[in-house]
Amino acid sequence: AQSVTQPDIHITVSEGASLELRCNYSYGATPYLFWYVQSPGQGLQLLLKYFSGDTLVQGIKGFEAEFKRSQSSFNLRKPSVHWSDAAEYFCAVHTNAGKSTFGDGTTLTVKP
Amino acid sequence: DVKVTQSSRYLVKRTGEKVFLECVQDMDHENMFWYRQDPGLGLRLIYFSYDVKMKEKGDIPEGYSVSREKKERFSLILESASTNQTSMYLCASSLGAGSSYEQYFGPGTRLTVT
Repeated sequence: AQSVTQPDIHITVSEGASLELRCNYSYGATPYLFWYVQSPGQGLQLLLKYFSGDTLVQGIKGFEAEFKRSQSSFNLRKPSVHWSDAAEYFCAVHTNAGKSTFGDGTTLTVKP
Repeated sequence: DVKVTQSSRYLVKRTGEKVFLECVQDMDHENMFWYRQDPGLGLRLIYFSYDVKMKEKGDIPEGYSVSREKKERFSLILESASTNQTSMYLCASSLGAGSSYEQYFGPGTRLTVT
């Protein structure tokens, strides 16, 4: 069975600092990996996705993620965080038939 | 843009009541999903549907049922609400069964059962 682990429950960074959110997955086949963001009171919105090709993928709002098969990781990064990036971030692996397994989420707080 | 709407943002029900949560998507998506979201537990799949009148159990189906009579509408039913079903409920849809398709989420319904 597939699983997703986000080791960091809560991360605090200063505005303008760089950010990396960790995600590790377990899946027997080629993974289809996603990062979603949830702003307070909102549903989830897709940031980026990976399923083949270049292992560094670009997403919206200046985010990127790197797929590392050897480490079973798909970490999310942003060079310079903005106050509006404060939200909860979810990593997910999609399986056949379109089902998904989500991590428990990482809450990002941005200090002024 | 895909739009997924949920009938209520906030709902308060009493123990034992029958509760209906409605979800509608406007982009002719094949797949629809119901999740519940609890702090520290992420999103857990309750049920999903890949076609009209078709449904499959997710990871936590106990105490819930679903209905999909029309392609655009997917309903979650709590036959007899209990306090442990107090949660945020998220509906989502995706274009098809392929793994590459992202899910589009509604804003959620925060259900409180007293």
